[in-house]
Order: sequence, then C-alpha cells, then structure tokens
Amino acid sequence: AQSVSQHNHHVILSEAASLELGCNYSYGGTVNLFWYVQYPGQHLQLLLKYFSGDPLVKGIKGFEAEFIKSKFSFNLRKPSVQWSDTAEYFCAVNAGGYSTLTFGKGTMLLVSP
Amino acid sequence: GAGVSQSPSNKVTEKGKDVELRCDPISGHTALYWYRQSLGQGLEFLIYFQGNSAPDKSGLPSDRFSAERTGGSVSTLTIQRTQQEDSAVYLCASSNQLASNEQFFGPGTRLTVL
Repeated sequence: AQSVSQHNHHVILSEAASLELGCNYSYGGTVNLFWYVQYPGQHLQLLLKYFSGDPLVKGIKGFEAEFIKSKFSFNLRKPSVQWSDTAEYFCAVNAGGYSTLTFGKGTMLLVSP
Repeated sequence: GAGVSQSPSNKVTEKGKDVELRCDPISGHTALYWYRQSLGQGLEFLIYFQGNSAPDKSGLPSDRFSAERTGGSVSTLTIQRTQQEDSAVYLCASSNQLASNEQFFGPGTRLTVL
C-alpha cells in the first residue's frame, strides 16, 4: 500500500518569505499527485495536481510543485508567501489506477504579517 | 448543487448511540468517497463508491461503521454504538471519473462523542 510523508507538521514564516513544503510517497508505479489546502474554517480545496507531462505544475495563488520521480517527491513551493496563505496543506497520492487518495498528515503553515 | 454538501455540520452524541451522516455529491459525479480527519492524523480513507459497483470498504475501521449510497447519489455513513475515539471530522468527496480523478470535498461533519 502506498504512503505519503510530509516532512514538517508546522511551519512558521514571515510574509514575503519563500516556502517549500516537502512531500514524499512510497509507490513504485504510476502515480497521480495532489496538493490540497484547507484554510481556517473552510473545506479542503485543490491547490494543484500532477497526472503526467511537465513535472513542474502550477496551481492557484502562485503555488507550484515539482514531481521528481527518482526521489518519489512532490514538493510544494511558493516564492513569496502572504498572510492569507495561512492554512493546512495536504499532499495526497492516487496510485496504480486506484481511485482513493492517500493523504499525508498535513503541514500547518502560519504566516505572520 | 454547486458543490458537495454534508449534514449535519456538527453532531454531538453520547457514547453508545448510533449516528448517521449524510453526503450529497456534485450532480453527475459517479464516484463518492468518505474520509475521516482526526487531529494530527491527516485524512484517513473509509469507503469508496463507484457507480453500481460494490463499494470498497477496505478503510472502515470496524464493523460499527457502514455506508450506503442510494440511487447512485446521496450517501449515508452510519456509525453504530459510537465510541469516543470516533470523534473526528467526517469528510465526503465526489469525482467524475470520466473526466479526471480530482476529488471535490464537502465541508465535513464534526462528530463529537461524549
């Protein structure tokens, strides 16, 4: 069975700092990869996804992620965070044609103004 | 509707009682999923429905948990004889597997078992 590991449970940054959240998965075959975000008091929403093609994917609100197959990684990045990026971020994988998502435990990002 | 809806938004119950949680997926979505979100544990898959196929129940934590999906649309997750460890946010998601595997999530039901 696949698993997803998110390296940091809590990250605190100042506005304008750069962000990188790590995500590694364990599965040797074809994967679909996702980052979801949950803003305070709101439901989960998709930030970006990778199915195939260009391993650098761009999502909403200036986020991007790079799929590195050799490292089984799908790290999320943003060059300059804003206070409004304060949220919990979840990496998820859907592997081997299996439809359900396996989620990491999430990273809580706090951006101080 | 515009998105996935769930009811109730909050449910407080006493240990040992049964609860039913409802999910209304996006119209036309063939796949429906239930997940559980516990503090510090991320999201845990519970059960998956795809069209008329038999559901994938591999994530249900015990036989106290069951779910059904009537008419290929609305789903109900039932927890019998609730325990305190069942306290969590129960999330429903749906997807149109003909188009993509992107799952759209509802707002969740926060269950508190006293």
